[in-house]
Amino acid sequence: GEDVEQSLFLSVREGDSSVINCTYTDSSSTYLYWYKQEPGAGLQLLTYIFSNMDMKQDQRLTVLLNKKDKHLSLRIADTQTGDSAIYFCAESISNFGNEKLTFGTGTRLTIIP
Amino acid sequence: EAQVTQNPRYLITVTGKKLTVTCSQNMNHEYMSWYRQDPGLGLRQIYYSMNVEVTDKGDVPEGYKVSRKEKRNFPLILESPSPNQTSLYFCASSPRTGGAFFGQGTRLTVV
Repeated sequence: GEDVEQSLFLSVREGDSSVINCTYTDSSSTYLYWYKQEPGAGLQLLTYIFSNMDMKQDQRLTVLLNKKDKHLSLRIADTQTGDSAIYFCAESISNFGNEKLTFGTGTRLTIIP
Repeated sequence: EAQVTQNPRYLITVTGKKLTVTCSQNMNHEYMSWYRQDPGLGLRQIYYSMNVEVTDKGDVPEGYKVSRKEKRNFPLILESPSPNQTSLYFCASSPRTGGAFFGQGTRLTVV
């Protein structure tokens, strides 16, 4: 079955890089996603990576995928106060497409001034 | 503006009183889903729909119903709500690939 795990908390100094980690168990994952949830808001899709890729970069965000270890990470360069949020890792293993996502418990990122 | 709209945002109700949470998307997406978010558990899928009149159970479907009569709408129905359904609910819509778009959430309290 699917299981996605993340650490619950991460604190980072403003200006440093944040690295949020995620492990998943289902090797048939097709897409892996990172979502951001700010207080009182819904989930915002940040970025995603197809399972045949190793890395994807989008401005300050870098996603690394290690399929052998089933490990996904999100690196946020030059972390700012606006990056404070809960970050969710999610996987899609559907054969049909995108209808079912399995989420981790979320990592709360706190920025230290 | 592309969006997923849920209503209401907040709802307090009593045990056993039927309620419906509406969800509408304007992106012509085929797929729509409902999730509930509980502390320490992340998001868990309740039901999903792959197209009009095509729905299926997610991981936690007990106590919920859905319908998909039109492509844009996917209401969540609680026929007889119970306190263990107190939660934060999210509707999402997605294309076949590329990530889901979420509504703002509905915070439901059942007393």
